[in-house]
Amino acid sequence: DTGVSQDPRHKITKRGQNVTFRCDPISEHNRLYWYRQTLGQGPEFLTYFQNEAQLEKSRLLSDRFSAERPKGSFSTLEIQRTEQGDSAMYLCASSPSFHANNEQFFGPGTRLTVL
Amino acid sequence: DAKTTQPTSMDCAEGRAANLPCNHSTISGNEYVYWYRQIHSQGPQYIIHGLKNNETNEMASLIITEDRKSSTLILPHATLRDTAVYYCIANSGYALNFGKGTSLLVTP
Repeated sequence: DTGVSQDPRHKITKRGQNVTFRCDPISEHNRLYWYRQTLGQGPEFLTYFQNEAQLEKSRLLSDRFSAERPKGSFSTLEIQRTEQGDSAMYLCASSPSFHANNEQFFGPGTRLTVL
Repeated sequence: DAKTTQPTSMDCAEGRAANLPCNHSTISGNEYVYWYRQIHSQGPQYIIHGLKNNETNEMASLIITEDRKSSTLILPHATLRDTAVYYCIANSGYALNFGKGTSLLVTP
């Protein structure tokens, strides 16, 4: 399967713990995006990378959220000191920059449950 | 991005055409209309996009009104596997603003 992959698919954690999610984009896609989706809502944009550069991070939900893409390939999203309100699906997407349109390819998501 | 308005839910009989409307009356000239869908427990899937002209691909057709204030996604022969939430997005940048979408139920 050469699509976007995310790991883990499910994560259960206790309030106050730190969690980290990984996203592997489609090979040679140099744009990578993170979204969050809560129950009954559409995905909400969080942040965006072009290669290793994080070009948009103002929509990260708080300073507890951070993302990296150190070598321009896979990316990680970390949530520190998790809260129950962080429970959601975290989606990663990628796209090739040469596309004139904004077709983003999404992974299956990581479902986070904070107890 | 311009705000889009979609019906909360729609039903369609299997084999019939599904016509999903979207209102984007404040769309600006450089914003494209995108449609994505999300099948339960999966990530969103791109369907089609357009700027001014009607578009067709192997999945669907997109009809955009001449004033660009609304559009319709057409699934010509809906199948049970087309049951999903369909999102209409007016977008000119990298961040997709999904909204709540239309929940389409295709029935046998």
